Amino acid sequence: QSALTQPASVSGSPGQSITISCTGTSSDVGSYDLVSWFQQHPGKAPKLMIYGDTKRPSGVSNRFSGSKSGNTASLTISGLQTEDEADYYCCSYAGSSTLVFGGGTKVTVL
Amino acid sequence: EVQLVESGGALVQPGRSLRLSCAASGFTFDDYAMHWVRQVPGKGLEWVSSISWDSGTIGYADSVKGRFTISRDNAKNSLSLQMNSLRAEDTALYYCVKGLRAVRNGFDIWGQGTMVTVSS
Repeated sequence: QSALTQPASVSGSPGQSITISCTGTSSDVGSYDLVSWFQQHPGKAPKLMIYGDTKRPSGVSNRFSGSKSGNTASLTISGLQTEDEADYYCCSYAGSSTLVFGGGTKVTVL
Repeated sequence: EVQLVESGGALVQPGRSLRLSCAASGFTFDDYAMHWVRQVPGKGLEWVSSISWDSGTIGYADSVKGRFTISRDNAKNSLSLQMNSLRAEDTALYYCVKGLRAVRNGFDIWGQGTMVTVSS
């Protein structure tokens, strides 16, 4: 159960697009179409932004999109807005009824 | 509206036990897996344990296996986490999280959390 690897921080200017990577292994990210992404603002509970690698829950802005290639999943935020400044976590099913999170990425809007 | 309300968090000495509870409402509880996720303040999220709708599938993180036990009571729409042999490294905010159907699918709605502090 090793944590997925995310960059510690990513930044961008308003209106730009940014991408956060989430690298796992062939035992987790690469084996299942079951990567989720969560947004967490300071002092708040996390919010689901993407599930099933690419699916967006109702109510989540279409500026958020998910993709995957091999053992690396990605979250792209397009048209970056100040309210997107938050911590972002990926999570994957890892087999045998276990799940694993990434270490988290702090997104800063410059 | 889905609501998850955790309770049971406390300051406890190392080696002691604690039981967390989660009261669920606003959805058909026995249609969904449920999960516990924890977070040390200022740090990242750590998956702790999951249980399927019928308690037939259960998973634990290696860090808690053999010490923590997850359970659910579908008649009472409640989820529990029995934590034994607590360690300082178990200190965290514990979230109850609603699943996206099966355990493997992950989760969507989070409670506000209950704080567990393990210290002498």
